[in-house]
Amino acid sequence: SQQGEEDPQALSIQEGENATMNCSYKTSINNLQWYRQNSGRGLVHLILIRSNEREKHSGRLRVTLDTSKKSSSLLITASRAADTASYFCATDSGAGSYQLTFGKGTKLSVIP
Amino acid sequence: NAGVTQTPKFQVLKTGQSMTLQCAQDMNHNSMYWYRQDPGMGLRLIYYSASEGTTDKGEVPNGYNVSRLNKREFSLRLESAAPSQTSVYFCASIPPSRGQGYTFGSGTRLTVV
Repeated sequence: SQQGEEDPQALSIQEGENATMNCSYKTSINNLQWYRQNSGRGLVHLILIRSNEREKHSGRLRVTLDTSKKSSSLLITASRAADTASYFCATDSGAGSYQLTFGKGTKLSVIP
Repeated sequence: NAGVTQTPKFQVLKTGQSMTLQCAQDMNHNSMYWYRQDPGMGLRLIYYSASEGTTDKGEVPNGYNVSRLNKREFSLRLESAAPSQTSVYFCASIPPSRGQGYTFGSGTRLTVV
């Protein structure tokens, strides 16, 4: 079953604009991660935020986590055409062996 | 290059045929995973192996078997392929620390006709 659900399903912006994607999940988590997938390729890990963290930055990426609302957001600032990809959130419940549950993804198109 | 290698990249099978998808990692990771990705469904876990010698079912294990041959290799077998198994299959691995993300292979695109 899907744990994370991304919103919106698709997003189209102009180069240079900021892109914001949201993820909601249902059960408590140990950490939440964001991945990028270029068309026809494997997923690439972008950033991990632990349940006791509220915000994390990595380059042009900013991730926030609100455990009270069971939600996270990924902000990509000053987007580039190369950011065109699908973005997935994934949650680690922290129980037993390490398994991630992925959402259905947000498809981002950055128009040059 | 260090990473996760999957073979083959593409495969077409007839219904009822069998095949094995291969996955190998050279990062000395303990845990390995097989996911399938279908349009609009995200990734769903088929099987995983927390360490060499152990395997466990994920969310959608029916119709599949796995083998953790050694620490490097984790294979996925379809004994009797069905059209419902048409999908893109991804292998992933992770080191022991829970604070790191998965490393994914580039995927196997399988079509069952």
